[in-house]
Order: sequence, then C-alpha cells, then structure tokens
Amino acid sequence: DGGITQSPKYLFRKEGQNVTLSCEQNLNHDAMYWYRQDPGQGLRLIYYSQIVNDFQKGDIAEGYSVSREKKESFPLTVTSAQKNPTAFYLCASSTSGDTQYFGPGTRLTVL
Amino acid sequence: EDQVTQSPEALRLQEGESSSLNCSYTVSGLRGLFWYRQDPGKGPEFLFTLYSAGEEKEKERLKATLTKKESFLHITAPKPEDSATYLCAVQAISSGSARQLTFGSGTQLTVLP
Repeated sequence: DGGITQSPKYLFRKEGQNVTLSCEQNLNHDAMYWYRQDPGQGLRLIYYSQIVNDFQKGDIAEGYSVSREKKESFPLTVTSAQKNPTAFYLCASSTSGDTQYFGPGTRLTVL
Repeated sequence: EDQVTQSPEALRLQEGESSSLNCSYTVSGLRGLFWYRQDPGKGPEFLFTLYSAGEEKEKERLKATLTKKESFLHITAPKPEDSATYLCAVQAISSGSARQLTFGSGTQLTVLP
C-alpha cells in the first residue's frame, strides 16, 4: 500500500534532549513538509523540501532541523533550543506542490 | 500576509440536520483552496481542491463551493460518522514552486444521533 508513515506515534522528551521524528513515504512524491499543530490553532509549517539534499525553512523553523538524504525520507529533529516542543507533528508529501497528503502524526510531550 | 478564518469554531448538529461551514480567506492571488477532514489524534485526510470562483465539488454528503473571498463546505443530512474537525487551507500563487499552504484553525463538527 502506498502512503506516508510516521514514527513513533507517541514520543516523550526530557528537558535538554534532542529527539528525531521519522517520516517515510512510498508515493514517489518529490516534495515533503513538516507541520506543527497546537490545540485550537491551524497547522504551521516548520520545514519543507522540494528535492533531495535541499530544504527550506518554514514559518517556525527555530529550534528544529531536518535532512533530506533520500527521496523517501524526511526526518525532523526537535532540538533542545525549541522552548515549547509539546505538540502534534505532521508530515506531508506532494507531487511538485499539488495536493499535500498527510501522515498519521507524532505526538511529542516534554516531561 | 495570507490569512484563513474558519467559522464557526464548533458546530453541533442533529443527525439529518444540514448546515454549512465557512472559510474566509485573504490571499494576494489564489492558486488553490483545500478542504481536509481530521479525526482526533490522526492526520488530516484530503477532501477537495477548488481552483476558481464558481467551482463546486461533491463527495457523498459533502459539497464544497468557492467564491472570490470564501469557501463553504455544505453538509447534507449528516451522520454521526461525519463528526470530525474540518480544515481549510489556501495556496497562494506567490508561494511559487514551494506551494506552501496556510491553514485555518478548523471547525469541530459533532453530529448527534
């Protein structure tokens, strides 16, 4: 089955730790995106990548980092510099900027 | 700056009671408007894309329409399984090849049996 997978579903982070969220797609999509969702707010763009080995900052990139070494994979690292990381993180992909399709999400909680 | 406002924030309907959700947008030039459905704890599920004023699309009990300033998601004779948060997003021409989306905060729909 084609689709987008995110892991883990739930993630707990201690203060000062870096954590990495996984996003994999087998849809052969060129573009991949990371969003953050907080209660009562719309999705906000963190980073996006249109091709392998290239990515751009979104609206709220501070405290996050990404890599795009393979077309299928776009991992997101939440660094200790992110002051309020507790949120629901969503990965999406699309073919050349058309409709974005989303993964199931990762809920990150800071202990 | 692109902006999307959805109303109402929450809507409770009785099963079979038709209604509409509103998405008002401000964008320099609209490339596309997207509707998604999101169930609690899950990722958004794509419903519709609308590209130009006057365009309409339908899927089962849902019908999306678009004007130059807003979009409506009409729900006809809803069922409890239609309960979800409905998200609206716009894609501006100015977003270039990145095709970034600007999302509204959603309308939480509850359909009571």
